[in-house]
Amino acid sequence: EAGVTQFPSHSVIEKGQTVTLRCDPISGHDNLYWYRRVMGKEIKFLLHFVKESKQDESGMPNNRFLAERTGGTYSTLKVQPAELEDSGVYFCASSQELANQETQYFGPGTRLLVL
Amino acid sequence: AQKVTQAQTEISVVEKEDVTLDCVYETRDTTYYLFWYKQPPSGELVFLIRRNSFDEQNEISGRYSWNFQKSTSSFNFTITASQVVDSAVYFCALSERVKAAGNKLTFGGGTRVLVKP
Repeated sequence: EAGVTQFPSHSVIEKGQTVTLRCDPISGHDNLYWYRRVMGKEIKFLLHFVKESKQDESGMPNNRFLAERTGGTYSTLKVQPAELEDSGVYFCASSQELANQETQYFGPGTRLLVL
Repeated sequence: AQKVTQAQTEISVVEKEDVTLDCVYETRDTTYYLFWYKQPPSGELVFLIRRNSFDEQNEISGRYSWNFQKSTSSFNFTITASQVVDSAVYFCALSERVKAAGNKLTFGGGTRVLVKP
């Protein structure tokens, strides 16, 4: 069974440009999460989808970030316009509740560098 | 508010030595989950273990063992007889079980383990 995949693995863009990150969750997982780790800081929660619905976007830093999950399968996270402080590693995770318990499985992350 | 602290930023050991990674957490909830993830050089976060706050039994899986102590709010991780392949960053994480699923994780800062041959 394929794990969580993310594309691209790396992205280098200039300040002011737009970047779109993609996450494909494990097949059948209804829950999809985005996290990010900026340099020297902890991994922080950004938002959570259940199928195509946003359940919690309390971690989204500002309105330059837009996440979508059309059709409840893959998700995209768009940063527009990108700023220097957006540099970091963006992780996606997915989960499916089993026996009233949940484990989030993570992808390899997308390393974003904004110059 | 939740908080996870991994006081050790980096640990260096020689192969076959044991290494213990500390994790201390803060939460006001009585029901929560604790996790450990491994991040090898390839970058992905690999799930290692989930522990329910009601289950304080220690767990062993091969060379890995975990010590959960609610009295000290700690969930420490020991690698016995370390190997070079254990070199990675290890993250401790906490989720408050508000609902059956969809509980965001709070991570510690990670501990980098370097195992030298």
